[in-house]
Amino acid sequence: LAKTTQPISMDSYEGQEVNITCSHNNIATNDYITWYQQFPSQGPRFIIQGYKTKVTNEVASLFIPADRKSSTLSLPRVSLSDTAVYYCLVAVPSGATNKLIFGTGTLLAVQP
Amino acid sequence: ETGVTQSPTHLIKTRGQQVTLRCSSQSGHNTVSWYQQALGQGPQFIFQYYREEENGRGNFPPRFSGLQFPNYSSELNVNALELDDSALYLCASSQAGEIGNEQFFGPGTRLTVL
Repeated sequence: LAKTTQPISMDSYEGQEVNITCSHNNIATNDYITWYQQFPSQGPRFIIQGYKTKVTNEVASLFIPADRKSSTLSLPRVSLSDTAVYYCLVAVPSGATNKLIFGTGTLLAVQP
Repeated sequence: ETGVTQSPTHLIKTRGQQVTLRCSSQSGHNTVSWYQQALGQGPQFIFQYYREEENGRGNFPPRFSGLQFPNYSSELNVNALELDDSALYLCASSQAGEIGNEQFFGPGTRLTVL
């Protein structure tokens, strides 16, 4: 049974780097690992996506080890506006297709 | 570029009724996914449609069904509503490719079942 787990919450201060890890076993070998940010009463918003190794964009980095059983979202120099829930999203095999599973979510609280 | 839109914004139904939720995908996207998000929990994958065919399904009973139209808009139908169906229903669109391609989410429809 596929399980995708994250820490329930994390605290940080403005300007710090934050790393959030998602553990995911039995994910599809041919699909992305993706991270989303969600604010209250809004739909999730895409942050970053990758297959393996390291991906970096203008807002975050994503580290994926070779076995793809985990991934780590890195947010450099967080600000108060980064306070939100962060989810990983993976695809897992399900019969002839894959299905998508969100992680349990991590509430990041950034303090001044 | 028009983003993902959903209608209605809010809906109140009673147990046993049927409901239809609608989603218009972002311009240029041909894939639509639906999710259920209960209060305080993460989104749960219901199903995905690609070019009018179901392309993947989560662990939801058959009373959750969907359609995708030639213009790539989509409907989610839920029959025989139960109290536990109360949730935020999210639609997301993406371009063709792997099921986990970058998705753009709409604001959701808040369904309350009494």
